[in-house]
Amino acid sequence: AQKVTQAQTEISVVEKEDVTLDCVYETRDTTYYLFWYKQPPSGELVFLIRRNSFDEQNEISGRYSWNFQKSTSSFNFTITASQVVDSAVYFCALSEGGTGTASKLTFGTGTRLQVTL
Amino acid sequence: KAGVTQTPRYLIKTRGQQVTLSCSPISGHRSVSWYQQTPGQGLQFLFEYFSETQRNKGNFPGRFSGRQFSNSRSEMNVSTLELGDSALYLCASSLSASISIGGYTFGSGTRLTVV
Repeated sequence: AQKVTQAQTEISVVEKEDVTLDCVYETRDTTYYLFWYKQPPSGELVFLIRRNSFDEQNEISGRYSWNFQKSTSSFNFTITASQVVDSAVYFCALSEGGTGTASKLTFGTGTRLQVTL
Repeated sequence: KAGVTQTPRYLIKTRGQQVTLSCSPISGHRSVSWYQQTPGQGLQFLFEYFSETQRNKGNFPGRFSGRQFSNSRSEMNVSTLELGDSALYLCASSLSASISIGGYTFGSGTRLTVV
């Protein structure tokens, strides 16, 4: 069975600080996909990134960066120079399955990030 | 391009009643998934539909059911509501049946309160 663990329940930082959100996953599949979603108070899950199990290249997108390490089954997310608008709950999710496979997302419990002035 | 539309946004029902929630996916998207979000259990997968066929189902009782229409719009139904069914119900649409193509786009959800 697949599992996603986000050990950090809540993180509080002051604006402009860097913050890293941790995600550890478990799966028996060799083909899988990892996601990060952001959930603001409005409730909608906003897609941030998707990474497949064959692509360990780390990625930077503006103030966001992701560190995928298969050796430790981790897919961590860093926000550089945090802003108040980054305040939200962040979810890491895992989907098993290759091409043509029906798939579902298994979510972690989320990390609530609060950025204050 | 319109996003995923869920109606209604808020709903209050009484125990024992039934409820139907609606989801209109992004135009061209053929896969629709449903998730339940509660403070205690977090985000849990309910079911997924593709081309009007249920392809995957989560671990929920038979009171939870769904369907997908030929235009890809989907509905989920919960019968004999219980207090524990109070939750945010999120719908997600995807272009393809394969997760290798595209990702999931979520709607804003329907917040159901059972009293």
